Amino acid sequence: QVQLKESGPGLVQPSETLSLTCTVSGFSLTSYGVNWVRQPPGKGLEWMGTIWNDGSTDYNSALKSRLSISRDTSKSQVFLKMNSLQTEDTAIYLCARDGRRGRDFDYWGQGVMVTVSS
Amino acid sequence: DVVMTQTPVSLSVSLGGQVSISCRSSQSLVHNNGNTYLSWYLQKPGQSPQLLIYKVSNRFSGISDRFSGSGSGTDFTLKISRVEPDDLGVYYCGQGTQYPYTFGAGTKLELK
Repeated sequence: QVQLKESGPGLVQPSETLSLTCTVSGFSLTSYGVNWVRQPPGKGLEWMGTIWNDGSTDYNSALKSRLSISRDTSKSQVFLKMNSLQTEDTAIYLCARDGRRGRDFDYWGQGVMVTVSS
Repeated sequence: DVVMTQTPVSLSVSLGGQVSISCRSSQSLVHNNGNTYLSWYLQKPGQSPQLLIYKVSNRFSGISDRFSGSGSGTDFTLKISRVEPDDLGVYYCGQGTQYPYTFGAGTKLELK
């Protein structure tokens, strides 16, 4: 079955770089896109960016200068790197598969909580 | 950016009842290709969001027909009939017509 699982450090220092991994199973990254979405504690959802099945990427313009999404198809992994972290970047970070039906997110990982603090 | 406005912010319902959640976009969600990329998600307590409805009115695999989506242009509605305990949580609408993809702030469905 389709599964996605995020991994990465739970605590990041201000001004440092966040590195997260989304490991997928049950589908191929060459067939489906994967999105990163984040959710500050108790708040709503923010789309961060997408890596498409062809390897191209789209980013939220609000984050584009700090964000990079890449992948390793042989390992079924998608990577997120975001630099210059601030306290307002504290959030649950989730990866979600692009549904290919209607620009929706049909399967989601459990998320990883990232706290930005010294 | 397209702003998605959901109303109400919270909703109390009795089990077996029916509710409607409204989602309005600041711009038309009709894409150049003719499709309208409006989705609905439910986030149950302590869980990740799950897809309910895509392209306005299409139920995702395994989603009960108690959930129905409707609307066009900038006005959309999610209806839930015969509410069950497992339906409780926060409902989000989201648009994929224009970058950046954006979501509403959520509607919390609680038991009366």
